[in-house]
Order: sequence, then C-alpha cells, then structure tokens
Amino acid sequence: QVQLQESGPGLVKPSETLSLTCTVSRGSVSSGSYYWSWIRQPPGKGLEWIGYISYSGSTNYNPSLKSRVTISLDTSKNQFSLKLSSVTAADTAVYYCARSRWGYSMDVWGQGTTVTVSS
Amino acid sequence: DIQMTQSPSSLSASVGVRVTITCQASQDISNYLNWYQQTPGKAPKLLIYDASNLETGVPSRFSGSGSGTDFTFTISSLQPEDIATYYCQQYDNLLPITFGQGTRLEIK
Repeated sequence: QVQLQESGPGLVKPSETLSLTCTVSRGSVSSGSYYWSWIRQPPGKGLEWIGYISYSGSTNYNPSLKSRVTISLDTSKNQFSLKLSSVTAADTAVYYCARSRWGYSMDVWGQGTTVTVSS
Repeated sequence: DIQMTQSPSSLSASVGVRVTITCQASQDISNYLNWYQQTPGKAPKLLIYDASNLETGVPSRFSGSGSGTDFTFTISSLQPEDIATYYCQQYDNLLPITFGQGTRLEIK
C-alpha cells in the first residue's frame, strides 16, 4: 500500500516561507489518475484544501491561498512539495499531504506535520 | 465557493444504535461528495466516495446517500471504535474543494 510522509520545519517565522515535502513510498507520483494534494487543519478546527498537482505537473490551488502557494513535483525523488509564502499566525496548522483520485477523493494520507508560525 | 453545512455539530449516541449525519451543499453538486472519518490525532480516512460508494475495506455498517444539495451519512449500528469526527467534502467542477465543519460523534 502506498505511503506518504510529510517533512519540514515545525516552526516558521512570520513573513517567511513555509516549505514542506511529501515523500511517497510503495508507489509513484508519476502514476496516471492520481493527483497529489495538500490539506491543512488549524488547531481545533476543520479541514482546508490547499491545492493539488497532477502526475503531469498541472496544478490547482484554493483561490484563498493562490497568491501565496506553489506546489511542485519531483519525480526523480518521488516527492511533491508545498511552499506557502508570507506566512502569518493564521497559517499555523497541521499540514497533510494526500493522494487524490483525479484530484477529488483523498484516499491515502500522510500522518500530518504541525507547523507553527511564531517569532 | 460552495459551502457545506453539516448537522449536527456534535452527537452523543449509545453503542448499537443507528446514527445519521446530514450535509447540505449551497448549490447542486450532483453526487460529487465524499465522507471522511478523523480520530483524534490522526489523519482523515476516506469512507464514502461519490455520495454512496463504500471505500474498499470500510465496514458495511457505514453508508451514504443523497444527490443535488442534500446528503446523508449513516452508521447502522454504532461501535465504540466509531468515535471520531466526520467530515463531508464536495468536489464539484467549480473548485475549490470544500469540507463541512465536521460532526463530533461521542459514545453516550
């Protein structure tokens, strides 16, 4: 069964860029029909979709974050990444990476990584 | 954005009873709706896709129904391990993907 694992700094300063990587094992990010997504969950709150990248590299982002978000794919390392610029305390959350069937149904999730924005 | 409204926000029920959660979309989303289960400290888990299809490996006591704007998620006989927060999620062609606010389910 495919597995996903998030990695990256747990603490980011305000106005800086949050950078996370999701490593995919027992599967390939180049697999057709699967898209690779990022979702976040602020403490004690619900889920927010950030965006996804397809196996071919096309992207779709949440309009509320679009000006600050970049999702990229590294097929050589079997990874995909999230960059969120100009972060504020409101970006403090657990960040999940997930595999999505055609971008819409998140059927495999990473365990999540907590990112705190604080000086 | 399409708004998803779940009810109730929280629910307490006894083991063995039937539990129902509803999700209403702010506009017609056909059957483009999923249901997830999230236990404390864990990632969400996909239970139902396309409104009524059971994900592989998910117990048959879970089911979903509905289309258009009104959807229902049912646990036919509540088990202790079903304690979790449940989220609906829509994926209509008009992005972004959005989630309901969640329903927290507890054992009475």
